[in-house]
Amino acid sequence: DAGVIQSPRHEVTEMGQEVTLRCKPISGHNSLFWYRQTMMRGLELLIYFNNNVPIDDSGMPEDRFSAKMPNASFSTLKIQPSEPRDSAVYFCASRRELNQETQYFGPGTRLLVL
Amino acid sequence: SQQGEEDPQALSIQEGENATMNCSYKTSINNLQWYRQNSGRGLVHLILIRSNEREKHSGRLRVTLDTSKKSSSLLITASRAADTASYFCATDNDYKLSFGAGTTVTVRA
Repeated sequence: DAGVIQSPRHEVTEMGQEVTLRCKPISGHNSLFWYRQTMMRGLELLIYFNNNVPIDDSGMPEDRFSAKMPNASFSTLKIQPSEPRDSAVYFCASRRELNQETQYFGPGTRLLVL
Repeated sequence: SQQGEEDPQALSIQEGENATMNCSYKTSINNLQWYRQNSGRGLVHLILIRSNEREKHSGRLRVTLDTSKKSSSLLITASRAADTASYFCATDNDYKLSFGAGTTVTVRA
C-alpha cells in the first residue's frame, strides 16, 4: 500500500496567488482529514470528510480556504487568495471508517507564502 | 483548538535510558492516542488506549490513562537514537482528533 499521497511536497508562492494542495487517501479508506501544523498553533484539524461528504469544516480558518472531495480517491484544499500567515505544513490523513481510530498521515505539503 | 497538553516540551536523554512524557486534557474522551513525528515527516500512529483501559503496552512503549485526572503518560523504555522525534498525544472524541503541542525527545548516543 502506497500510503496517503500528497502533492506538491513543497510550494512557494506569492501573496495573493491561489494555492491548491492535493491528497490521495489510502484505497478503501472512507474518511479523510486535512490538518495544518504551525509552530504557534500546533496541529489543527481544518476539515474532515466521510464518504466524500464534508462532515465538519469548523476548523477552516476563513472563506479563503475551501476543500473538496469529488471522489473516494482524491481531495483538494484550496487557498485563494493566499496570505503569508497561511505558511504552514498541511497534512492529509485518512481512516478506514469514521469510527475506526487510527489515522494514517501523508508526508505533508510545506507551504511558504511570500 | 488543542485539547491535550504535553509535558515536558522537550526531553534529552542518553541512549538506553527511559523517556517519560505526560499529556493532560480537558474534556471527556473516547480514547487517547500517541503519535510520533520525525523531523519533516508526517505523523505515525504509535498506540491507542481506550477510556475504559488504564494501561497498555506495545513493544518498548507503555501508556497509562487516568480519566479521573484527565491525564496520560507515554513511557519509552531502553531508548535508541531512532526514537529521536516529537511525540504527540491526541484525544479522540466525536471522531475528531485533537492534538497537543508535543514533546520533543532527543536521544543522545
